[in-house]
This record gives sequence, structure tokens and C-alpha cells, in this order.
Amino acid sequence: EDQVTQSPEALRLQEGESSSLNCSYTVSGLRGLFWYRQDPGKGPEFLFTLYSAGEEKEKERLKATLTKKESFLHITAPKPEDSATYLCAVQAEETSGSRLTFGEGTQLTVNP
Amino acid sequence: EAGVAQSPRYKIIEKRQSVAFWCNPISGHATLYWYQQILGQGPKLLIQFQNNGVVDDSQLPKDRFSAERLKGVDSTLKIQPAKLEDSAVYLCASSLGWTLGVLYEQYFGPGTRLTVT
Repeated sequence: EDQVTQSPEALRLQEGESSSLNCSYTVSGLRGLFWYRQDPGKGPEFLFTLYSAGEEKEKERLKATLTKKESFLHITAPKPEDSATYLCAVQAEETSGSRLTFGEGTQLTVNP
Repeated sequence: EAGVAQSPRYKIIEKRQSVAFWCNPISGHATLYWYQQILGQGPKLLIQFQNNGVVDDSQLPKDRFSAERLKGVDSTLKIQPAKLEDSAVYLCASSLGWTLGVLYEQYFGPGTRLTVT
């Protein structure tokens, strides 16, 4: 069974204090790893897709990286508007219908 | 571009009652998903449609949940009868599907928050 574990569950940062969120996964074969952002009362919003170990993608203050067992979401000099829950999800090779399996998320709070 | 629309936004029902949720995906998106998100957890796929055909409903509790996507556009998800443990946010998402076996990004609606008392 595909497993996705995110850590920490919650993270509080001061504005400008850089940090990283972790997503570790156990799948028999990875087709893609996805990062989403979810604000309270809203649906998840797509951020990145990573396909193979060593790949990196950036968007504004966010940078996602991928290894064979985990992905990191690095947040550089965060601002209060970066406060949200960050979800990662995996698509496994053997899963029928190309299902995404989500982790439980990391709730990020950035204080001004 | 209009996003994924869902209604109602909130619903409170008593256990053993029935409820239905509606979703209108982004125009041109052939793939539609229904997810259940329990508080503090990530979304869990209930059912995936490609046009009006079911691709994956392996995690749908078929004794009480049903879904349809008539004409390959709008979709409805129904629960009958509801249980206390069905309290959750029900999210609808749509996408262009997949290419070379990898999913395109999914666009989510705002969700329907269901409370079963």
C-alpha cells in the first residue's frame, strides 16, 4: 500500500526565517510527486509536479526537490501570506486509474 | 477562466438522512474526481470519472455512496443513508487527465462541508 508521511505536522516561523517541509513516501514505483497548498475553507491549489530523483522546481519563495525516498519543500524568507497547509501526494506506477495518495499535510504559520 | 464550482458549500443533516452534492468542472476537463477530506487529514479519492465513465471507484463505500456524471460534464455525489463518520469536506476536482501515464495537475473546487449529527 502506498504511504505518504509529512513532517512536521505544524510549523511556526517568523517572517524571513527560512525552513523546509518534508514528505517521505513508500511506493513500488513513483510516477509523480505533487505539492499542493490549501488555505482554510478552500480546496488545494497546485504548486509543483516532480517526476524523478534529482529534479528541482521553483516558484517565488518555494523550491521543491525530490530524492528516491522523500521530497522537500524549501521556503526561503517566508511572508505571512505563505501561511497555509502544504500537502504532498504521490502517483504510483501500479495504481489503477492514476490515483493520487495524499499525506496529512504540514500546517505552516508565518508570523509578521 | 472559471474554476470548479460546487454546491452547497455547507450542509448539516441527521444520521440516516440522505444528501447530494453537485460539481461543475472547468470547461474542457474530461477527468473529474470526488475526494473526501476529514479534518486534519489529506484528501482521499472516492471516485474518478473520465468523461462519463468510471475509471476508479475502488475506495467508494458503495453500500451508501453513489456518484454519476451525466453527459460527461456536471457530476453529483450522493450519500444514503449518512453516518456520523461521513462528516467531512467533500472536494470535487477536474483535470485534463494524464499524459504518458502521469497525471496533469488537478484543479479543486471550494468543497462542501458536511456535518452529520
